[in-house]
Parts: sequence; C-alpha cells; structure tokens
Amino acid sequence: GQNIDQPTEMTATEGAIVQINCTYQTSGFNGLFWYQQHAGEAPTFLSYNVLDGLEEKGRFSSFLSRSKGYSYLLLKELQMKDSASYLCAVKGYSTLTFGKGTMLLVSP
Amino acid sequence: EAGVVQSPRYKIIEKKQPVAFWCNPISGHNTLYWYRQNLGQGPELLIRYENEEAVDDSQLPKDRFSAERLKGVDSTLKIQPAELGDSAVYLCASSLVTAGEGYEQYFGPGTRLTVT
Repeated sequence: GQNIDQPTEMTATEGAIVQINCTYQTSGFNGLFWYQQHAGEAPTFLSYNVLDGLEEKGRFSSFLSRSKGYSYLLLKELQMKDSASYLCAVKGYSTLTFGKGTMLLVSP
Repeated sequence: EAGVVQSPRYKIIEKKQPVAFWCNPISGHNTLYWYRQNLGQGPELLIRYENEEAVDDSQLPKDRFSAERLKGVDSTLKIQPAELGDSAVYLCASSLVTAGEGYEQYFGPGTRLTVT
C-alpha cells in the first residue's frame, strides 16, 4: 500500500518563498507528482520527479530523494493566486495515490 | 485542444435515488480514471480503464457503484442507490499511456454530488 504525508495547512506572505514537504512509504515507486488545486476546480499538473534531484520550472521547483522517501515543492516569489491546495501524489506500479493536500494561504 | 469534459457539474439528490455522471476524455487518451474527492482530502481512485477494459476497480464499491466505458472513449459512473456518505466531488481524468509508460493525468472539473 501507499502512505503519503504532507502538512495540512501553511501560510506565507506575498513575494516570499515557501517549501511544502511530502513524505511517502510505498510498495513500488514510479515517480512523484505535484498538483495544484484551486477551490472548486480540478487538480492541475505542476511537476513530475522520477530521479533524485531538483526539477525547476519557473517559480516552482520540486525535489525528490527516493532513499529518504521525501519530496518538496518550492514556490518562489509567491503571488496571491498561488493560494490553493497542493497535492503530492505517488505513482506505484500503475496508479496514482494522492496525499490529503496542503492548503497554502498567501496573504498580502 | 479541449480538456476533459464532465457533466453535470452539480447534482443534488435524495438518498436512495440513482445518479449518473458522464465523462468525455481528451481525444486520443487511452486511459481513463474515476476518482472521488471528499472535502479536505486528496482524490481517491475508484476505477481505471485502459481502452474499454477496467484494469483496476479494487476501490469501487461494487454493491452500489458501476461504471462503463463503451468504445473506449466516453465513460459513465453510476450510483444506485445513493447514500449520504456518497456526497463528494467525482473527478474524471485521462492520460495517454504507451508501452506501460505515461504519467501526466489531466483532470476534468468534476461533478459535485450532494445527497440529502
């Protein structure tokens, strides 16, 4: 089975940097995903890591350590529109298992 | 390119009534997923289709839930009869999986079901 753990809520200030952590225990690992979900909307893909290291994509970066079962999503230059839930998801042999999501609130 | 389409967007029914949700995946995507998302939780997989075949339905409550994907394109998820605990958002997603690989899933806007 899969067990994915991430903080329930985080708050940050506009323009700041925030790091959202995700730890996982899985039987089978074929990649880790981060999705963004605004309230009442569908999850949208942010990043995918299958090898150890940092993947950078604009203001967002994602890091993976397979040996530690650990990932983080780094958001730079925070904007108000970044207020959303951030979902960590692990791909096992064939399906995605999602964490409960981290609700990020960006304040002025 | 059109995204994943779902209908209806909202549905309110009384318990014990039937309800059906429809999903049209992105054109060319061979894999289709139905998820259920409760408030404050991540999506939970109900069933996964590869073309017309349901390859993972281990989390589908088969006593009341059923799904079909005729011709390997559109899919319908049905609940009969609905219970209060079925209130949730039902998300459909699709992806293109080739030779066992493939990763990004594209989600539809979901159907928010309220059972009263």
